[in-house]
Amino acid sequence: EVQLVESGGGLVQPGRSLRLSCAASGFTFNEHGMHWVRQRAGKGLEWVAGISWNSDSIVYAESVKGRFTVSRDNAENSLYLQMNSLRAEDTALYYCAKDRWDSGTSCYDRWGQGTLVTVSS
Amino acid sequence: EIVLTQSPGTLSLSPGERATLSCRASQTVNGRYFAWYQQKPGQAPRLLIYGADNRATGIPDRFSGSGSGTDFTLTISRLEPEDFAVFYCQQYGRSPYTFGQGTNLQI
Repeated sequence: EVQLVESGGGLVQPGRSLRLSCAASGFTFNEHGMHWVRQRAGKGLEWVAGISWNSDSIVYAESVKGRFTVSRDNAENSLYLQMNSLRAEDTALYYCAKDRWDSGTSCYDRWGQGTLVTVSS
Repeated sequence: EIVLTQSPGTLSLSPGERATLSCRASQTVNGRYFAWYQQKPGQAPRLLIYGADNRATGIPDRFSGSGSGTDFTLTISRLEPEDFAVFYCQQYGRSPYTFGQGTNLQI
């Protein structure tokens, strides 16, 4: 069974940093691209970042470019999101999602349950 | 950035009825790289349709997708009680991979 378990969320002050993790199991992690998608409370889905199976292709939403860094460790079956210079508008539930393809250019056939990030002083 | 506009924002129907949800893109979506997701309260989204008209694994055949270019449709032929949720469209043909704002399908 495919499982994606996010962790690392919490309350953080504006301007500070946070690192999210996503532990994957139940599938061959190094054969799939991965993504982060966030959802503000009561709002819709916003794609944040995506990474190909071998980390050769990495893309970001404009709203996080230059502040967030996505990475992966295929040996550890893990996905990460380093979030720097956090802003109040980054407050959201962050989902880890599995891409159907290795390139990271398809849609997402499995999602984690999310980890909540709250940016507030 | 490709902006996706879903309509209607809210759709009120009864079990057994047919639901038609629309999504219009501000630019042509490459290669029919288009998906639909269902999200129930307190749950993660679930992939329903990919490639505009392909059902994802385990999705009942009452769900169908159609469309190309800039206009896409999700149809639920006969609503079951468990189908009521929020539905999102997504284009993944060009980064940034954008979502629509959602259609709330309510009883």
